[in-house]
Amino acid sequence: GQQLNQSPQSMFIQEGEDVSMNCTSSSIFNTWLWYKQDPGEGPVLLIALYKAGELTSNGRLTAQFGITRKDSFLNISASIPSDVGIYFCAGLSNFGNEKLTFGTGTRLTIIP
Amino acid sequence: EAQVTQNPRYLITVTGKKLTVTCSQNMNHEYMSWYRQDPGLGLRQIYYSMNVEVTDKGDVPEGYKVSRKEKRNFPLILESPSPNQTSLYFCASSFLGKGTDTQYFGPGTRLTVL
Repeated sequence: GQQLNQSPQSMFIQEGEDVSMNCTSSSIFNTWLWYKQDPGEGPVLLIALYKAGELTSNGRLTAQFGITRKDSFLNISASIPSDVGIYFCAGLSNFGNEKLTFGTGTRLTIIP
Repeated sequence: EAQVTQNPRYLITVTGKKLTVTCSQNMNHEYMSWYRQDPGLGLRQIYYSMNVEVTDKGDVPEGYKVSRKEKRNFPLILESPSPNQTSLYFCASSFLGKGTDTQYFGPGTRLTVL
């Protein structure tokens, strides 16, 4: 199946710092989604992007749908302890079943 | 409360012993899906269902079966589990399975096959 390359794999930052992560694909996607997974929980949708070039915010989170439709970026400003978790990108291509392909995840750790 | 439930949350079993992981949603969603999550590989789709009696293979269906006899339930069946099926499994549902629908995930089932 399709593969999404997500980077970095892990991040160790201090509280208050900004965070950036990205996702790239060899294929075009029509929709990009960003999920967060807390320890012991299932992923929860943070932001959905539907158009190339779209920039969408959700509180301190901002995500962008790349112009080429092959990448997406997530930024978190002024990180706080509850931002800890694993962040996944996911791409959706409309080939009948509209299957989601997930990235490999970015594990965010905040150092006190 | 709208939710997706999975049972059991944790399971340790032995090779070859058939098992079923149940999934149930109370949101009247048509679309349901199973994923497995492995370190460094993200979530990979095993099977999905667009509606009752309609199921289809995802990216990694080998060794798994599913059924969708009623809208709310979507059990995952491992007829003869093997150690390479040790993983964290998530069930998810959404209204129609369209890109604009939010997928709701269950809390996960951690399976260990010895």
